[in-house]
Amino acid sequence: GAVVSQHPSWVICKSGTSVKIECRSLDFQATTMFWYRQFPKQSLMLMATSNEGSKATYEQGVEKDKFLINHASLTLSTLTVTSAHPEDSSFYICSAKRTGGRWQFFGPGTRLTVL
Amino acid sequence: AQKVTQAQTEISVVEKEDVTLDCVYETRDTTYYLFWYKQPPSGELVFLIRRNSFDEQNEISGRYSWNFQKSTSSFNFTITASQVVDSAVYFCALSEAPGNRDDKIIFGKGTRLHILP
Repeated sequence: GAVVSQHPSWVICKSGTSVKIECRSLDFQATTMFWYRQFPKQSLMLMATSNEGSKATYEQGVEKDKFLINHASLTLSTLTVTSAHPEDSSFYICSAKRTGGRWQFFGPGTRLTVL
Repeated sequence: AQKVTQAQTEISVVEKEDVTLDCVYETRDTTYYLFWYKQPPSGELVFLIRRNSFDEQNEISGRYSWNFQKSTSSFNFTITASQVVDSAVYFCALSEAPGNRDDKIIFGKGTRLHILP
């Protein structure tokens, strides 16, 4: 149990376009999901915490208008990178926490390349 | 503030050698959790171990072992008889409040491990 999926696994887009990444908890309900970003050869940095039915909480330095997060159901959170630019190219990883649970379960990641 | 330091950026060893990855953490809380994750080239994070601050027993799982010492705020990871498949980036991480709704996991910068055949 505790499987988290992400879609797509990789995406290439042109500069200026928007890209949506989905994070799903497949076999459990997740009140809270987290979005991380990992630049090449760097660590995972938390971007935002997403709670079902409420606005996401963004970490300092993360532009909320650029990285739109929607957590409309207990099994799905989406991250939309709006007007993507090459500097947004990164590996985006989500994690999900079971409702009432303590541990985060990580998705396989989505590699975004902006040309 | 919480912080995780992995001083070894990159390590290369020859297959079958033992290798230890260091992790030093900082936290003001008395209750916290420490983790190790493996990230192979595919990118997916693989959970290896979780240890709470009240359990200082060392743990062994096959070729993997972990040494947790609160006195030195360290949680080191040793791979015995390393294999090429162990090549990956290994992250040490810290969480202070996993039961809270908005808890955070703070990751170290990772150690890139190369096992040479």
